[in-house]
Amino acid sequence: AQSVTQPDIHITVSEGASLELRCNYSYGATPYLFWYVQSPGQGLQLLLKYFSGDTLVQGIKGFEAEFKRSQSSFNLRKPSVHWSDAAEYFCAVGASKTSGSRLTFGEGTQLTVNP
Amino acid sequence: DTEVTQTPKHLVMGMTNKKSLKCEQHMGHRAMYWYKQKAKKPPELMFVYSYEKLSINESVPSRFSPECPNSSLLNLHLHALQPEDSALYLCASSQGQGIGSPLHFGNGTRLTVT
Repeated sequence: AQSVTQPDIHITVSEGASLELRCNYSYGATPYLFWYVQSPGQGLQLLLKYFSGDTLVQGIKGFEAEFKRSQSSFNLRKPSVHWSDAAEYFCAVGASKTSGSRLTFGEGTQLTVNP
Repeated sequence: DTEVTQTPKHLVMGMTNKKSLKCEQHMGHRAMYWYKQKAKKPPELMFVYSYEKLSINESVPSRFSPECPNSSLLNLHLHALQPEDSALYLCASSQGQGIGSPLHFGNGTRLTVT
């Protein structure tokens, strides 16, 4: 069965600093990987996704993520964090095209941005 | 602004009440979902409708009853809920049910069962 681990429950960074949120997955075949963001009182918004091809994927709001098969990781990065980036971030994995909507979400990482 | 609209935003109900949550999307998406999210936890899949037919039920108790009247609307009927059912209920849609179709979420209905 697929699983996702986000090792950091809570991360605090200063505005303007760089950010890396960690995500490790477990699945035998090529996974379909996603990062979603959830602001307080809101639903989840897709930041980016990886299915195949270039292992460095660009997303919205200046985020990028790198798929590393050897490390079973899909870490999210941003070179300069803005106060509006404070939110909960979820990494998710989908096993195959046929499993469709059965995404498995990680437990999330809460990001706090200090002025 | 979200393209998936959920009403109401907040709902308080007693354990003997019957209420419904509503979800609407006009993006032409053919798959619609209900998720339950407890505080500080990730969303948990409850139901999936594909082309207006129930395709996935993640062993959800029968006190939750989904309905998809047409391709744009999704309801969740609630009856005899328990306090532990208090949560944020999220609706989502996707163009298809395949994994290649990312989910578009609404802002949710915050449900409190008293």
